[in-house]
Amino acid sequence: DADVTQTPRNRITKTGKRIMLECSQTKGHDRMYWYRQDPGLGLQLIYYSFDVKDINKGEISDGYSVSRQAQAKFSLSLESAIPNQTALYFCATSEGTGGSHTGELFFGEGSRLTVL
Amino acid sequence: ILNVEQSPQSLHVQEGDSTNFTCSFPSSNFYALHWYRWETAKSPEALFVMTLNGDEKKKGRISATLNTKEGYSYLYIKGSQPEDSATYLCAFLYNFNKFYFGSGTKLNVKP
Repeated sequence: DADVTQTPRNRITKTGKRIMLECSQTKGHDRMYWYRQDPGLGLQLIYYSFDVKDINKGEISDGYSVSRQAQAKFSLSLESAIPNQTALYFCATSEGTGGSHTGELFFGEGSRLTVL
Repeated sequence: ILNVEQSPQSLHVQEGDSTNFTCSFPSSNFYALHWYRWETAKSPEALFVMTLNGDEKKKGRISATLNTKEGYSYLYIKGSQPEDSATYLCAFLYNFNKFYFGSGTKLNVKP
């Protein structure tokens, strides 16, 4: 089983619908991230969380919200989906940096969202 | 938003060719530079984590160098194989906690 699991893997929805993408991890990492990937662009940071009580906006947080239900779970919500949110979404985890930690990111397999 | 640039955007080579790509990043507030390999329909996976100016890392036929003073890193693949076909992403770690990704170099190795 994957260490970082995203559900759903694929979703087609309509404009205005509420969508939740879920991420769970078994790596025991405190840090979790949501990224968005659009063709021709790098991964863009939507939200990140360094522990259950710590949630931070990334560069493109407008139109998104998150919930860190537990150390192992980090969900991304689109309250009212719009077509330009059509993208591939990645969840990632990290031990962080400092000491022997390299900050290496461990990614889920991605959730492809299409908003019609 | 910090600018991390990768070139070329895509590369088509024949099996056996050696190739290299570039990642350019800001030379200030450097903490680390990561290289990830992303195969189609899979998750990106870390190749190298580089933290010191002059770092050179190697994994099999793939190696990377780092110049933090001028803000660039090179990734080299010696004797490319079809299984090397993937998108190679670099990520600049800024201020200990935020990664900025380049748009990637998509490599296609023809048998």
